[in-house]
Amino acid sequence: DIQMTQSPSSLSASVGDRVTITCRASQGISNSLAWHQQKPGKAPNLLLYAASSLESGVPSRFSGSGSGTDYTLTISSLQPEDFATYYCQQYYSTPWTFGQGTKVEIK
Amino acid sequence: QVQLVQSGAEVKKPGSSVKVSCKASGGTFGSYTINWVRQAPGQGLEWMGRFIPVLEMANYAQKFRGRVTITADKSTSTAYMELSSLRSEDTAVYYCARAGVGYMDVWGKGTTVTVSS
Repeated sequence: DIQMTQSPSSLSASVGDRVTITCRASQGISNSLAWHQQKPGKAPNLLLYAASSLESGVPSRFSGSGSGTDYTLTISSLQPEDFATYYCQQYYSTPWTFGQGTKVEIK
Repeated sequence: QVQLVQSGAEVKKPGSSVKVSCKASGGTFGSYTINWVRQAPGQGLEWMGRFIPVLEMANYAQKFRGRVTITADKSTSTAYMELSSLRSEDTAVYYCARAGVGYMDVWGKGTTVTVSS
């Protein structure tokens, strides 16, 4: 199975801050990476796929980059509604696996 | 826009089974797979398996093989996940989610399964 490791596991930030979350795969996954946002008590919501493609309806302050084993999610200017937990997910090979999550909290 | 509507919360005894449904509202499964992902209280997301409608077959994560059965009824656009030999560690929210290539783009709201004696 491909292991996905996110960092940090949590962070505190202020509205307007630039936030970066990283995700490392245990082997190369050829950009087969998605990012999901989850708010408390809610189902996850797809933000990006193919490492850098923005899902329809997702604000452009979210962006993704990376290649090989290392990927990044960036929020260019954090908004109040962005406080949530973020998960990366590889879909290069089954079983699909998720990172452990990064909780973004208000500073 | 397709929505996935899941069945209601369940409370089960250890050793029993639970079957959760997931109906595609406003469309069909089409060529998408239906995946099941669970989340234990305060924990992360864990993929359990998927049903591939065009192949009419399922595949499962090794951890759940032998205990989980994922099926689908194309005529009603409803998928099912049955988990047997329940134990307290199976207490979780169970989500169904649609996926094309492999990333999940539409999620159900989740079904809480509580295993308690």
